[in-house]
Amino acid sequence: GENVEQHPSTLSVQEGDSAVIKCTYSDSASNYFPWYKQELGKRPQLIIDIRSNVGEKKDQRIAVTLNKTAKHFSLHITETQPEDSAVYFCAALRQGGGNKLTFGTGTQLKVEL
Amino acid sequence: EAGVAQSPRYKIIEKRQSVAFWCNPISGHATLYWYQQILGQGPKLLIQFQNNGVVDDSQLPKDRFSAERLKGVDSTLKIQPAKLEDSAVYLCASSQGGGTVNTEAFFGQGTRLTVV
Repeated sequence: GENVEQHPSTLSVQEGDSAVIKCTYSDSASNYFPWYKQELGKRPQLIIDIRSNVGEKKDQRIAVTLNKTAKHFSLHITETQPEDSAVYFCAALRQGGGNKLTFGTGTQLKVEL
Repeated sequence: EAGVAQSPRYKIIEKRQSVAFWCNPISGHATLYWYQQILGQGPKLLIQFQNNGVVDDSQLPKDRFSAERLKGVDSTLKIQPAKLEDSAVYLCASSQGGGTVNTEAFFGQGTRLTVV
């Protein structure tokens, strides 16, 4: 089955700096890669996603890149703000292969003032 | 649009007792997931339904966990008997699925289970 690894487990940045979180996946047939943000005590919420036919996608301060050959994808947050502090999860799914959604282990991002 | 509803929000039980969680997905969503999230870890898939059929339950501890999705809508997850290591947040999520391109999964608030 699919295995998703995520690094780092914790990340501390200064406000205004950039943050990068990296994930690798094992199933080359995976074709949908969402990123979720989970604030303390709340539900995971989708912040951005990318499909395998695209190499990069951007939404304001958030961007995701995908390297299918290397089977890794990354989340980039620019101009970080205190409200970006949360746990971020990457995930992988193979559409058409049962749509099983497998999550990484999470990254605790702390944006310091 | 109403979101994914889960109940109860919190539950405290003694070990060896039984417990049940309920999930009502977004209307029209064919795919329903149950995840277990232990504190400090990522969500771990327990079982996935497509309508009322099981797609994947490979990580469900079937000696104590069971789940059903009657009529392809609401779902219940049961633990009997509970163990201390079952303490976690149980998240339900749904997606349109069914072969559509819309694969975004929406999560409920979760049920926080504490086994003492």
